[in-house]
Amino acid sequence: ILNVEQSPQSLHVQEGDSTNFTCSFPSSNFYALHWYRWETAKSPEALFVMTLNGDEKKKGRISATLNTKEGYSYLYIKGSQPEDSATYLCAFSNDYKLSFGAGTTVTVRA
Amino acid sequence: KAGVTQTPRYLIKTRGQQVTLSCSPISGHRSVSWYQQTPGQGLQFLFEYFSETQRNKGNFPGRFSGRQFSNSRSEMNVSTLELGDSALYLCASSETSGSYNEQFFGPGTRLTVL
Repeated sequence: ILNVEQSPQSLHVQEGDSTNFTCSFPSSNFYALHWYRWETAKSPEALFVMTLNGDEKKKGRISATLNTKEGYSYLYIKGSQPEDSATYLCAFSNDYKLSFGAGTTVTVRA
Repeated sequence: KAGVTQTPRYLIKTRGQQVTLSCSPISGHRSVSWYQQTPGQGLQFLFEYFSETQRNKGNFPGRFSGRQFSNSRSEMNVSTLELGDSALYLCASSETSGSYNEQFFGPGTRLTVL
């Protein structure tokens, strides 16, 4: 069992504000780190797959960084909008399977 | 391209029964993974199939089994259902096996065991 921890568990953000949250994972035998967005009543949607230490990826107002040596990744949302409200999951892999964190639930208040 | 589809979407069974869930991957995807989500838990990996072979298995009892067909469609079977098997079961497909690949999730099957 691989310990993947996400913090905080939930957060509330005012529309227009920026926010970030953390995914911590074991730093040994790293293969990949995934980020997913899961909106209520929808399927989880892939945001990023990150494989290299120091990787930074961006999709619109959402970006992520990766530090494999210390075992953490940050997800940033710039200028939060109501449509960003979702649970954000990270998943770590050291072989063929993904171990998911419990998620950070983001609620953006208008 | 059509997305990942799962049938049925909702299912109610009683303890001791068995159930079969189906997953059709995106056309051209050859890997299918299954996950279980229970209240308060993150997604738990069940198993992955690639080219009709089980590539990896999570920490679930033998009551949970699966298979993959030559068209990459996959089924998951749970025998002797227990109350604790009530969960959302998600499948995800990717082009090939390996955790570098982006996974595309289906809408899930919500199983309730009474």
